[in-house]
Amino acid sequence: AQKITQTQPGMFVQEKEAVTLDCTYDTSDQSYGLFWYKQPSSGEMIFLIYQGSYDEQNATEGRYSLNFQKARKSANLVISASQLGDSAMYFCAMREVVEFSGGYNKLIFGAGTRLAVHP
Amino acid sequence: EAQVTQNPRYLITVTGKKLTVTCSQNMNHEYMSWYRQDPGLGLRQIYYSMNVEVTDKGDVPEGYKVSRKEKRNFPLILESPSPNQTSLYFCASSLRHEGYEQYFGPGTRLTVT
Repeated sequence: AQKITQTQPGMFVQEKEAVTLDCTYDTSDQSYGLFWYKQPSSGEMIFLIYQGSYDEQNATEGRYSLNFQKARKSANLVISASQLGDSAMYFCAMREVVEFSGGYNKLIFGAGTRLAVHP
Repeated sequence: EAQVTQNPRYLITVTGKKLTVTCSQNMNHEYMSWYRQDPGLGLRQIYYSMNVEVTDKGDVPEGYKVSRKEKRNFPLILESPSPNQTSLYFCASSLRHEGYEQYFGPGTRLTVT
């Protein structure tokens, strides 16, 4: 069964420094997708970045980049130049294709990493 | 504005008192789902729906019901809530065959005493 593992329950980083949040996954599918979501203290889920399993280049979105290492089954999130507003819970998730009524994408989430950015 | 709305945002109730959490999306999405979030467990899918009148169980369906009578609405029903259903609940929607991103509602924090 698909599984997402985030081994860092908590991380802290100094403002303006870069930080890497770890994510490893387990799947037997050839086609899959990996996501990162941010959840600030207000509780909403904010989509950050997506990487498809066939994408040859690492995904980037502004200060966020996804370090995709397919052979190692890892999809780490790198946040460059951390800001105080980056303090939040971060979830790694994987898209699982469920063959029901034509198929749909289901998300499998990791347990999350809480990031604290210090001034 | 494209959005998923949930109501109520906060709810404190007692064991056994039936409740409904509403979810509505204005993006004409076919696919909708409910997740619950618990510390150390991330988000887990409760139920999902592919379209009107098409629903199925997710990973943790016990104690919950859903219905999809209209495309835009996907309510979550707790017939007899218990304290172990105290959690943060999210509704999400997405296009079925196109794209990949799921749009999340703001969350409903439920406490069952």
